[in-house]
Amino acid sequence: GEDVEQSLFLSVREGDSSVINCTYTDSSSTYLYWYKQEPGAGLQLLTYIFSNMDMKQDQRLTVLLNKKDKHLSLRIADTQTGDSAIYFCAEIDSSYKLIFGSGTRLLVRP
Amino acid sequence: DTGVSQDPRHKITKRGQNVTFRCDPISEHNRLYWYRQTLGQGPEFLTYFQNEAQLEKSRLLSDRFSAERPKGSFSTLEIQRTEQGDSAMYLCASSTRQGPEAFFGQGTRLTVV
Repeated sequence: GEDVEQSLFLSVREGDSSVINCTYTDSSSTYLYWYKQEPGAGLQLLTYIFSNMDMKQDQRLTVLLNKKDKHLSLRIADTQTGDSAIYFCAEIDSSYKLIFGSGTRLLVRP
Repeated sequence: DTGVSQDPRHKITKRGQNVTFRCDPISEHNRLYWYRQTLGQGPEFLTYFQNEAQLEKSRLLSDRFSAERPKGSFSTLEIQRTEQGDSAMYLCASSTRQGPEAFFGQGTRLTVV
C-alpha cells in the first residue's frame, strides 16, 4: 500500500540551510506536498510539486523530486527560529486524498 | 474568505457521550476532507466529499462515526458513544476539482475523559 516515510528530527543553527527528506511509495502520485504544522495548529500548505518536475523554488524553499528513487526533499535557506515546526511530506493518491508521513520536527537553534 | 473554519477548536467530553464537529470550507471548494491526527503522527484520512456526495470512507471510520455535507457547503462529523481512543485532533481540508492545493482548518482537538 501507500506509505510515506520521514526522519523524525532535525536540528540546525539559525542562518544555516535545513534539508528535510521524505520517501514515498506510490509512483502514480501526480503531486507531492510539504505542509508545516506549528504547535496546536492546523497544517499550512508550504509548497507542492508536480510529478513531472525535478525542482521547484519558492523564495527560501526549494523542493527536489527524484522520481526514480521516490525521494522528495525540502530545503529551507537561511533558516529562522520561526521555521521551527513539524514538517509533513504528503503524496496524493488516485482518489485525491493525501497520504502523510509522520512528520519531521525541525528545531532551529539561535 | 478567511480559509477553512472549524468549530469548536477544543472539546472535552465524557466517555459514552456524542460529539459533533463542524467544518466550513473555503467558498466554492467542492471537495471536503476529514482527517484525524494523533500525537506524534501525521494526519490520517477519514472521509471525503465531492459536493454533497460522500465518495470514500476509510476503514478507520467505524460505525460510530458519521459525516454529512447536506448542501455541499459545510460538513459535520459526529462521533457517537465516544471512547478514549477517539481522543485526537480532527482536521478538515478543502480543495477544488481544478487545483491540487488542499487547505486545512485549525482543527478540533477532542479529549475523551
